Parts: sequence; C-alpha cells; structure tokens
Amino acid sequence: QSVLTQPPSASGTPGQRVTLSCSGSSSNIGRNTVSWYRQVPGAAPKVLIYKNNQRPSGVPDRFSGSTSGTSASLAISGLRSDDEATYYCAAADDSLNGVVFGGGTELTVL
Amino acid sequence: QVQLVESGGGVVQPGRSLRLSCAASGFPFRSYGMHWVRQAPGKGLEWVAVIWFDGNYKYYGDSVKGRFTISRDNSKDTLYLQMNSVRVDDTAVYYCARDQSSRSPYYLDYWGQGIRVTVSS
Repeated sequence: QSVLTQPPSASGTPGQRVTLSCSGSSSNIGRNTVSWYRQVPGAAPKVLIYKNNQRPSGVPDRFSGSTSGTSASLAISGLRSDDEATYYCAAADDSLNGVVFGGGTELTVL
Repeated sequence: QVQLVESGGGVVQPGRSLRLSCAASGFPFRSYGMHWVRQAPGKGLEWVAVIWFDGNYKYYGDSVKGRFTISRDNSKDTLYLQMNSVRVDDTAVYYCARDQSSRSPYYLDYWGQGIRVTVSS
C-alpha cells in the first residue's frame, strides 16, 4: 500500500491529452513539492517534473505538472506511442524524513 | 556526466547479510544527499533510505528500519547499503539515486541502473 495514491492504469489515443492524478496528505504533498518519474520496463526511473511544475532540461513541454492542496496532477498533451510507460509521483514526507512514492500509473497509448 | 553504478547484489539466504555499493562519478559526491530506492518484481517504487551530504543524518523506510544501514564514504565517492537479517520480501531491484538537495529530500535527479537482490533459501 503506497502512501501516495495513483490510479493503476490510464489510456489515451495519439494526440490526446491525458491527466494522471496523485493524492497524498498534509505530511507530504500538503507541505512539500511533488516530483514525477517515468519508467519503462527494464530501465531505471527518470525525473519528468520537479518542484510541482518544473521540467528538467530535455523534457518536452508536452509534460506539465500542477498541485492543489494534497493532490497533484501530471498532464501529457499530444500523446505519442512512446509515452507508454509507468508514471510515479513522489514527495518528501515530514513524518518519515524521507520520500514517499505513489503506486504508479501504467499509461497505454491505444 | 553523472554516473551511479551499483554493485554487490545477488542471491542471499533469509536471515543473512549483504552489502550493496554505489560508485558515483561526474559530480561532487560530497555535496549531495543520496537515496536507496527498491522495486520488487512487478511492483512499484519503494523508498528505502536517505543519507545527507555529510553522512550525519540518515532516515529509513519502516520496512527496513533496524535491519538496513545506509552509509557513505565521501573520500571514495561511494554510497553503501548494509542489509542485515534479510527477508524474502526484500527481494527487489535496488537503485541508488542522487537528491538535488544536500539535506532534506527534494527530488531524485539521477538514478543508477539498479542491482538485483534475491532472497531465497
């Protein structure tokens, strides 16, 4: 049972916009910034979004993040087949002094 | 370029010990907090532990507290995870990852390729 809650799956068609959700609590998302990671099978995760809505260099602006209260969202516009991956949200948690992850959302491009 | 290379994984019997290492290069290792994150087969990411840049503060996930110890040698640019009293449910790919912060967790900007640990009799 992950501390952050994500739907296990999502899907969209090429060109569509999809939004992935992440729900937490006052000890994590409510107080700390959210990051998002993308993982394809057999590879290590890579950061997509940090500080709620910042993109590292090299991440296209099709990816955007937002937060509201104890929830966060990752939006992917202009969906492409190579966006198929599992997406994880994460945040620092003040009760742990560590990091909590969501269970991950597996995105399928139909 | 930033590189993190894990080693030390393998098959270990329940109740035994194992030490993972993560060799860092391409950045001033002593300036960054470092994490271990694991992923059980077919499961999501689970945070294991963090150590601040100077090694003075260490924090652990509930499932490993009291059994695992994170440490670092800044003279060798190496991160460690000492795993004692391992259990079958410690079976996972273990990743070391760099935190963008030197202290309190911020975000994990670089990850190693991961090392597999299998706990089995």
